[in-house]
Amino acid sequence: DTQMTQSPSSLSASVGDRVTFTCRASQGISNYLAWYQQKPGKVPNLLIYDASTLQSGVPSRFSGSGSGTDFTLTISSLQPEDVATYYCQNYNVAPRTFGQGTKLEIK
Amino acid sequence: QVQLAESGGGVVQPGRSLRLSCTASKFTFSTYGMHWVRQAPGKGLEWVAVISFDASNTYYADSVKGRFTISRDNSKNTLYLQMNSLRDEDTAVYYCAKDTTSRWYGYFDYWGQGTLVTVSS
Repeated sequence: DTQMTQSPSSLSASVGDRVTFTCRASQGISNYLAWYQQKPGKVPNLLIYDASTLQSGVPSRFSGSGSGTDFTLTISSLQPEDVATYYCQNYNVAPRTFGQGTKLEIK
Repeated sequence: QVQLAESGGGVVQPGRSLRLSCTASKFTFSTYGMHWVRQAPGKGLEWVAVISFDASNTYYADSVKGRFTISRDNSKNTLYLQMNSLRDEDTAVYYCAKDTTSRWYGYFDYWGQGTLVTVSS
């Protein structure tokens, strides 16, 4: 099974900062990587799929990159409403795994 | 807008069984794979199981294999998760999620609101 490892586990940044999250797969997964955002007390929401394609309706300050084993999610200018936990997940395989999540807070 | 509504959660004793349901609407349920994902209190997301559009393929996380069974009734637009031999560590919010493909290998574009299962004596 492919393991997904996210870093850091938590992150604190200021409004307007550029923020980057990392996700690493234990083996190559091509670009079969999705990112989800889960705001406190809410249901997870799809942000990015195919490693870099923005889901419809997601603000353009979010972007994704990577292929193979190393992936990043970037917020170009952090907004207060971006406070959430972010999860990566591989697909095109079963069983599936999520990364353990990166919790983002505002300084 | 796609709608997914879970039901069937509650408090159950260890070793007992529970069946969750997920009723789908506003999309052609019978043409998409469906998943169950859970989240223990204060913890991250854990994928549980997937079923293909026609129920010909099912896969499970190792943590539930042999105890949980995913199924679907396309005539009722409903997904199920039969949970047997429940353990304390099965306590979680259970979400159903829609796959973007007919099989099992897509990502999740819609999620239900979740139903809480508490395993406790």
